Amino acid sequence: EEQLVETGGGLVQPGGSLRLSCATSGFTFSDNYMDWVRQAPGKGLEWVGRIRNKAGSYTTEYAASVKGRFTISRDDSKNSLYLQMNSLKTEDTAVYYCTRTEHAWGQGTLVTVSS
Amino acid sequence: DIQMTQSPSSLSASVGDRVTITCRASQDIRDHLAWYQQRAGKAPKSLIYAASTLQSGVPSKFSGSGSGTDFTLTISNLQPEDFATYYCQQYNAFPRTFGQGTKVEIK
Repeated sequence: EEQLVETGGGLVQPGGSLRLSCATSGFTFSDNYMDWVRQAPGKGLEWVGRIRNKAGSYTTEYAASVKGRFTISRDDSKNSLYLQMNSLKTEDTAVYYCTRTEHAWGQGTLVTVSS
Repeated sequence: DIQMTQSPSSLSASVGDRVTITCRASQDIRDHLAWYQQRAGKAPKSLIYAASTLQSGVPSKFSGSGSGTDFTLTISNLQPEDFATYYCQQYNAFPRTFGQGTKVEIK
């Protein structure tokens, strides 16, 4: 069974940084492209970004709202995905989900940006 | 960006009913469309990809169709666990975009 478990959420002040992690199991992580998706309280789903696999040269794509502030990375030896979030804004407050693109989701981790 | 528009935004239905949700893309996305179910307070769950292919383990009461710009998700024989919010998502182009969601409520 596929499992994706996000950690690292919490309360951070505007302008601060936070790093989310996603530990995976049950599928061949290194073969897959991975995405981050977020959901602000009471709102719909918003795609954050993508990282491709080694065959895709680990290239990344980002939503305009986070480009230049967020960085997605991965460690295939640890079957793990990461989201480094810098210069956080109050509008970044959301549950952040790690996803195996179009196929599987983690349970999410809440990030709250507030003073 | 490709805009995804779902209709209706919400609907009320009874146990045993069949319901259909529509998703329209602002441009041709071929069959690069996924559907997700999100129960209250839970993470989304993948139901369908490639417009009509069921994810492993998803019951056949769920079905998807369409290509190009118009897509549908049909749920037959509604059961209490099917009352949830459903989202479509296009993966034909970046940025990936979602519909606004359709909330299926108990009548």
